[in-house]
Amino acid sequence: QSVLTQPPSASGTPGQRVTISCSGSSSNIGSYTVNWYQQLPGAAPKLLFYSNDKRPSGVPDRFSGSKSGTSASLAISGLQSADEADYYCAAWDDILSGPAFGGGTKLTVL
Amino acid sequence: QVQLQESGPGLVKASETLSLTCSVSGVSINNYYWSWIRQSAGKGLEWIGRIHISGDTNYSPSLKSRAMMSIDTSKNQFSLRVTSMTAADTAVYYCARDWSSSWGGGWLDPWGQGTLVTVSS
Repeated sequence: QSVLTQPPSASGTPGQRVTISCSGSSSNIGSYTVNWYQQLPGAAPKLLFYSNDKRPSGVPDRFSGSKSGTSASLAISGLQSADEADYYCAAWDDILSGPAFGGGTKLTVL
Repeated sequence: QVQLQESGPGLVKASETLSLTCSVSGVSINNYYWSWIRQSAGKGLEWIGRIHISGDTNYSPSLKSRAMMSIDTSKNQFSLRVTSMTAADTAVYYCARDWSSSWGGGWLDPWGQGTLVTVSS
């Protein structure tokens, strides 16, 4: 059971907009910023967003991140087949004394 | 360009100790926290622990009594030891630069490519 809650799957057709949610509590998302990681098939996770909505260099602006209260969301517009991956949210957790992860959302482009 | 590379045995016997090393290039290991994360087959990510050259370390409660991390500044490497390995510890182990501070927060970037560790009975 993951500390942060994500839907196990999401899907969309090319060009569509998809949103992935991440729910936490006051000990994590409610007190700290949220990060998102993208894991392509067979690869290591890669940082997609840090500090809620900051994109590292190289991440297309089709991706956007936001946070409100104890929840966060990742939005992908103009969906492409290359976006098929597992997406994980994460935030520092006071109980864990470390970063807590969501269970991951598998994005399928139909 | 910062790069991390995990190394260690791919196979460990149950009840034995796992030792992994993460070699860091492109940045001094002195200036950041460094973390280990693992991922069991078909499962999500599990943070194991972090270490700073100052000696500050944190471990996940699920592994706290069995995990120990260390830093070798002369080799720009950090290491993980996990004792009493069981089949449940079979996973891909990743190392990552940890952008957290002493009070927490932060993010993990970049990550190593990961190394698969299988525990045999």
